[in-house]
Amino acid sequence: GAVVSQHPSRVICKSGTSVKIECRSLDFQATTMFWYRQFPKQSLMLMATSNEGSKATYEQGVEKDKFLINHASLTLSTLTVTSAHPEDSSFYICSARYIHSYEQYFGPGTRLTVT
Amino acid sequence: TQLLEQSPQFLSIQEGENLTVYCNSSSVFSSLQWYRQEPGEGPVLLVTVVTGGEVKKLKRLTFQFGDARKDSSLHITAAQPGDTGLYLCAGGESWGKLQFGAGTQVVVTP
Repeated sequence: GAVVSQHPSRVICKSGTSVKIECRSLDFQATTMFWYRQFPKQSLMLMATSNEGSKATYEQGVEKDKFLINHASLTLSTLTVTSAHPEDSSFYICSARYIHSYEQYFGPGTRLTVT
Repeated sequence: TQLLEQSPQFLSIQEGENLTVYCNSSSVFSSLQWYRQEPGEGPVLLVTVVTGGEVKKLKRLTFQFGDARKDSSLHITAAQPGDTGLYLCAGGESWGKLQFGAGTQVVVTP
């Protein structure tokens, strides 16, 4: 149980375009999903917390107009990187949490490369 | 934001040896999770500890939560090459958020 999927697993896009990443909890309902960014050989950096049916809460320094998050259902959250630039290239990972649970279950990640 | 310090940053050992990874903070966490991450993949949850002084065992892995719920350790007995990976501790904060340590890269050579 507690499986989280992400799509796509890797994407290459041109500078100035937008990219959407999907995060799905496959076998449980996730009231809260989280989006992280990870640079090579570094730990995870939380970007935003997404609650179903409400606006996402962004961490300090994360541009909410650039990283659009939608959590339309209890099993799906999306992250859209708008007007992508090469510095947005990174490994993006989502996680999902049961209601009242301590644990977060992570997706396999999406490698974004902006050329 | 509560800070979690993980040590050591890097650990290289031979197969069969034991190792311990530490996770320390000056703040109290409601829970502490340990994850292992392999290159190009998402972290995989190993264990959650909630009660101060709690000890949990997962085969050759032993996890301990400090009495004051500010620190934790992960001990691996008789390490195997399959134990190679990035080990991350994460403390539970408000709203279900996790504060991650910087990670410990463990390499076990045959």
